[in-house]
Parts: sequence; C-alpha cells; structure tokens
Amino acid sequence: KAGVTQTPRYLIKTRGQQVTLSCSPISGHRSVSWYQQTPGQGLQFLFEYFSETQRNKGNFPGRFSGRQFSNSRSEMNVSTLELGDSALYLCASSLSLNNEQFFGPGTRLTVL
Amino acid sequence: TQLLEQSPQFLSIQEGENLTVYCNSSSVFSSLQWYRQEPGEGPVLLVTVVTGGEVKKLKRLTFQFGDARKDSSLHITAAQPGDTGLYLCAGSVTGGFKTIFGAGTRLFVKA
Repeated sequence: KAGVTQTPRYLIKTRGQQVTLSCSPISGHRSVSWYQQTPGQGLQFLFEYFSETQRNKGNFPGRFSGRQFSNSRSEMNVSTLELGDSALYLCASSLSLNNEQFFGPGTRLTVL
Repeated sequence: TQLLEQSPQFLSIQEGENLTVYCNSSSVFSSLQWYRQEPGEGPVLLVTVVTGGEVKKLKRLTFQFGDARKDSSLHITAAQPGDTGLYLCAGSVTGGFKTIFGAGTRLFVKA
C-alpha cells in the first residue's frame, strides 16, 4: 500500500507570492491533517479535514487555507507569503478522526 | 489547555548506553503514538498504545502506557547511531477530536 505523498518536495518563493501544496493520503484514509514544523516552534497544527469538511483548525492567520476533495486528496494554500512562513509543511492521513496518523515526507518551503 | 510534555528535550549519549524518554499529561488519552523523525523527512510511526499499563516492544525499543493513560515512556536499550533523531509522542484525548503532539526529544547517539 502506497504511503502518504506530498508534492512538491521543495519550493522556493518570494515574499508576497502565494503557494499551493498537495497531499495524497493513504488509500482508504479519509482524514487529512496539515502541520507546520520549524526549528523554533516544533510541530504546529494547521487544520484537519474529513469528508471534505474542515473539522479542526489551529491558530494560524487566514492566509493559511485548505480544502479536501471527494477522493480525500487535500491541498493547502498560503497567500501573501512572509519570511516566517519558511518551514517544513507536513501532511498526515488517518482512517478517520482521532485515529493514528501517518505522515508524508513533507514540503520544504523557503520564502526569500 | 491539553498538553503533552516531553522530557528531556535533548539527549546526547554514547553508543551502547540505555535511555528513557518521557511523555506526560494531565489529560487521559484514548491512545498514544510514538514517532521518530529524521532531518528533512516526515515523522515515522513507531507504535500505538491504547490500553493502560500496556507494554510494547520493537527490537531494542520498549514503549509503556501508564495505568491511568496519562503518560508514556520510550526506553531504548544499547542505543546505536541509527537511533539518532527527533522522537515525538502524540495522543488523542478521550472525548476529544484532535491529536496533540509533544514538543519532541532530540536524541543524538555518538559512535
């Protein structure tokens, strides 16, 4: 069974631009969560989707948004990028809410 | 606030030594996971514990879930350089709908 895939793996953007990251969960998994990981802040929860609906949301500004499609694939978007958005963005999938999560390899975003 | 506190935050040991990492909370968890993460990669799930008092072994790694399901520990016997990484605990609070992560323990095993 294929694991969680994330594209792209690496991305370089400049301040003010926007970016879209993609995540394909493990087949059969219906819940997708997104996290931001930086050396200083650790793993910070962004949001969780289940059945195309956002079920939980972390404490991030409205510039961070996401969505989930009917095939459970998910995308997250960050608009008006800031230098502080440079981080490893991780996607995790689970069978349902509150189940153990399986992570993808992450997307390394660098904002210049 | 529901928190998972991990200790120690950082550990540097020699190959062959034993170590224990702790994950504590005041909340009761329906399940708890341990992950290992290497630089630039996503965390890899090592184990899930669900029953109070449960002990699981994965080669040289021993995981224990507290009787009250509020804490957990990870013990590594005869650590090897390949054990180097960031160890994260995560849990689902009973009755809650979100997974909570600890801040992690960064382990460095010197050859």
